[in-house]
Amino acid sequence: DTAVSQTPKYLVTQMGNDKSIKCEQNLGHDTMYWYKQDSKKFLKIMFSYNNKELIINETVPNRFSPKSPDKAHLNLHINSLELGDSAVYFCASSQGLAGGRADTQYFGPGTRLTVL
Amino acid sequence: AQSVSQHNHHVILSEAASLELGCNYSYGGTVNLFWYVQYPGQHLQLLLKYFSGDPLVKGIKGFEAEFIKSKFSFNLRKPSVQWSDTAEYFCAVNGIGLNDMRFGAGTRLTVKP
Repeated sequence: DTAVSQTPKYLVTQMGNDKSIKCEQNLGHDTMYWYKQDSKKFLKIMFSYNNKELIINETVPNRFSPKSPDKAHLNLHINSLELGDSAVYFCASSQGLAGGRADTQYFGPGTRLTVL
Repeated sequence: AQSVSQHNHHVILSEAASLELGCNYSYGGTVNLFWYVQYPGQHLQLLLKYFSGDPLVKGIKGFEAEFIKSKFSFNLRKPSVQWSDTAEYFCAVNGIGLNDMRFGAGTRLTVKP
């Protein structure tokens, strides 16, 4: 019944490793997102993706790459992890609206990534 | 550049007190406005949203917000808070596109029983 799910919930890894976080939504939405929430709770959008277009926030390092095998999934791959990547990563989904905007976003439970 | 400002970093209230959390944004065009809440250890959930129409928006759990276009503000209010309202509150603004989503820094609300 979970609308937006993420795995794993916790991820602890060493610097330099490559890791992936998976996200799935069963709401039938056409757009999915990845957000990073830092230790001060500041929430920043990293990517938005629908079945037509991937939009990348220009401040996101190219070590981060979203991969969407289908409309219901948007996975996040991170290469060469760094200490500063430690954060909580949230996946979200929404239905796009006319005019290119987004309706209400539904968030996953988050993945707490700790890089040692 | 579009930005969202939440004036209060941490608000502490006693139960039954009234709440108002400020949110201002800087964006010249039409925007969609949201308030999300994040309870401790949980994900973000929508409280309310404004797209158009009546600028006074009612949300869940007794929350409401008023859009004042001339002030670029979308303040969140609740007449009487409860201990269970303890959470982090985020104002968000969606501008011209799907990726043009900005969240404020959040306001932590602590309600003392």
